[in-house]
Amino acid sequence: DAGVTQSPTHLIKTRGQHVTLRCSPISGHKSVSWYQQVLGQGPQFIFQYYEKEERGRGNFPDRFSARQFPNYSSELNVNALLLGDSALYLCASSLDSGGGGSVVLTFGAGSRLTVL
Amino acid sequence: AQSVTQLGSHVSVSEGALVLLRCNYSSSVPPYLFWYVQYPNQGLQLLLKYTSAATLVKGINGFEAEFKKSETSFHLTKPSAHMSDAAEYFCAVSIRLTGGGNKLTFGTGTQLKVEL
Repeated sequence: DAGVTQSPTHLIKTRGQHVTLRCSPISGHKSVSWYQQVLGQGPQFIFQYYEKEERGRGNFPDRFSARQFPNYSSELNVNALLLGDSALYLCASSLDSGGGGSVVLTFGAGSRLTVL
Repeated sequence: AQSVTQLGSHVSVSEGALVLLRCNYSSSVPPYLFWYVQYPNQGLQLLLKYTSAATLVKGINGFEAEFKKSETSFHLTKPSAHMSDAAEYFCAVSIRLTGGGNKLTFGTGTQLKVEL
């Protein structure tokens, strides 16, 4: 079975540009979460979506947005890119929203964004 | 607020030696705790999780962790290190979101180096 797939794997943008990152969850998983991992740090939560609805948002500016499609895939959009947005963006999927807390997230390999 | 702290950003062991990676948590309620491993240029892979069923949790690749409430710790151990264990390890706690979902809050990570 395919795991969580993300595209593109690497991309380079310049300040002020916009970027769209894509994620396909494991088949049967209805929840997608996005994390940002800056070099040398642990991943930071950006968004969680479940059944196309936003279930949570981390402490990120409004330049960051996301959505989930009927097939449960997801996009993360970042507008007006800043140098500080350079990071590995990780997508994770799970069977449900995990409101009980014990749900396991399965991560993709990430999209590495470099902003020049 | 729930959080985890990883002590030691870098740990070096000899092949065949005991691996001990430290994680302490802060939580006012019984936490759900996780250990993930990240190999270079890859996403995160779940090693094990604690969900209150048993204090000693066995994971993949010979790793295990013991939940100690009295010490608020969830340290990761492996009796005998292998060269393939060289990676970055993250401790994480699951936090319920007001929207009904959950997120993981990660520690800053511990880079494990295994030497011959």
